[in-house]
Amino acid sequence: GAVVSQHPSWVICKSGTSVKIECRSLDFQATTMFWYRQFPKQSLMLMATSNEGSKATYEQGVEKDKFLINHASLTLSTLTVTSAHPEDSSFYICSARWVGRSYEQYFGPGTRLTVT
Amino acid sequence: AQSVSQHNHHVILSEAASLELGCNYSYGGTVNLFWYVQYPGQHLQLLLKYFSGDPLVKGIKGFEAEFIKSKFSFNLRKPSVQWSDTAEYFCAVKSAYNTDKLIFGTGTRLQVFP
Repeated sequence: GAVVSQHPSWVICKSGTSVKIECRSLDFQATTMFWYRQFPKQSLMLMATSNEGSKATYEQGVEKDKFLINHASLTLSTLTVTSAHPEDSSFYICSARWVGRSYEQYFGPGTRLTVT
Repeated sequence: AQSVSQHNHHVILSEAASLELGCNYSYGGTVNLFWYVQYPGQHLQLLLKYFSGDPLVKGIKGFEAEFIKSKFSFNLRKPSVQWSDTAEYFCAVKSAYNTDKLIFGTGTRLQVFP
């Protein structure tokens, strides 16, 4: 149990375009999902916390107009990178918190974004 | 600000060798501590966690970690590694100010050779 999927696993887009990444909890309900960004040989940095039915909470320094997060249901959160630039190229990982298991996060496999 | 330090960036071992990966955190209050593992091409998985109680925590696949409050440490250990333990290991602490936020260390890449 507690499987989280991400789609796509890898995406290449051109500068100036937008790309959407989906995060799904496959076998549990997640009121809270998290979006992380990971640079090569660096730590996972939390970008935002997404709560079902409400606005996401962004970490300091993360542009909310650039990284749009929607958590429309208990099993789906999306991250849209708008007007992508090459410096947005990174590995994006989502996690989901199982309702009733307050401190455990279950991670998705990540999405590799390359902006050309 | 809270932070997590993992001193070993890359560790290379032979099978059956013992393993200890260091993790130190910078917060003096109540903490929840975690070790995650990421096998090649796979997602992060929880190895073990410490919330309270016995400071020696046993996790999956023969791993254990010891919380030493006086040293702000939560080192991961395994007495005898296997080739299948080759992976990236991340230590994380849950923020006392934000119950949602996990703060991760930079990770340690472990390579085990047969």
